[in-house]
Amino acid sequence: DIQMTQSPSTLSASVGDRVTITCRASQSLSSWLAWYQQKPGKAPNLLIFKASSLENGVPSRFSGAESGTEFTLTISSLQPDDFATYYCQQYHSYPWTFGQGTKVEIK
Amino acid sequence: QLQLQESGPGLVKPSETLSLTCTVSGGSIRSSSYYWDWVRQPPGKGLEWIANIQYTGSTAYNPSLKSRVTISVDTSNNQFSLKLSSVTAADTAVYYCARYQCDSTKCNSFDFWGQGTLVTVSS
Repeated sequence: DIQMTQSPSTLSASVGDRVTITCRASQSLSSWLAWYQQKPGKAPNLLIFKASSLENGVPSRFSGAESGTEFTLTISSLQPDDFATYYCQQYHSYPWTFGQGTKVEIK
Repeated sequence: QLQLQESGPGLVKPSETLSLTCTVSGGSIRSSSYYWDWVRQPPGKGLEWIANIQYTGSTAYNPSLKSRVTISVDTSNNQFSLKLSSVTAADTAVYYCARYQCDSTKCNSFDFWGQGTLVTVSS
């Protein structure tokens, strides 16, 4: 299985901050990585696919980048609606696997 | 707009079989671009992919659960289903159905999700 190591597990930030979450894969993913946002009691919501492509309807303050087996999700200016848990997920090979999640909290 | 809705018992006894159905509305399950998946999330924990199926009946399973999981599709009713046998308390989770899209033009993973259903394993 491909292991996905996500960091940090918790992040405290203020509205307007630039926030970066990192996900490291145990092997090459050829860009087959997605990022999701999940709010309490809700299903995950797709933000980014193929490492850096923004899903339709997702605000442009969200962006994804890739460098080898390290992937980042950046929120350029944190908004009140962005406080949530974020997960990365690889879909390079079965079984699909997720990172452990990063909870973005209000500082 | 595509919608997915999980249904099934919210309480299952240990050693019994968990059975869930996902009903797809607002679109057809019959497309080679789509894979229909189950993902679960134990309370307070992360996400675990369980299995998927295409309308043709082609399947993929997580090896960690494969011996206990059966996934099936009913194209006439636009539904797909999950059975998980010999359940224990460790199988207590919110179970989500989701659509995975991948074809020659776009491959964007899980773009639509059901709202999720909590299944508790307890006697």
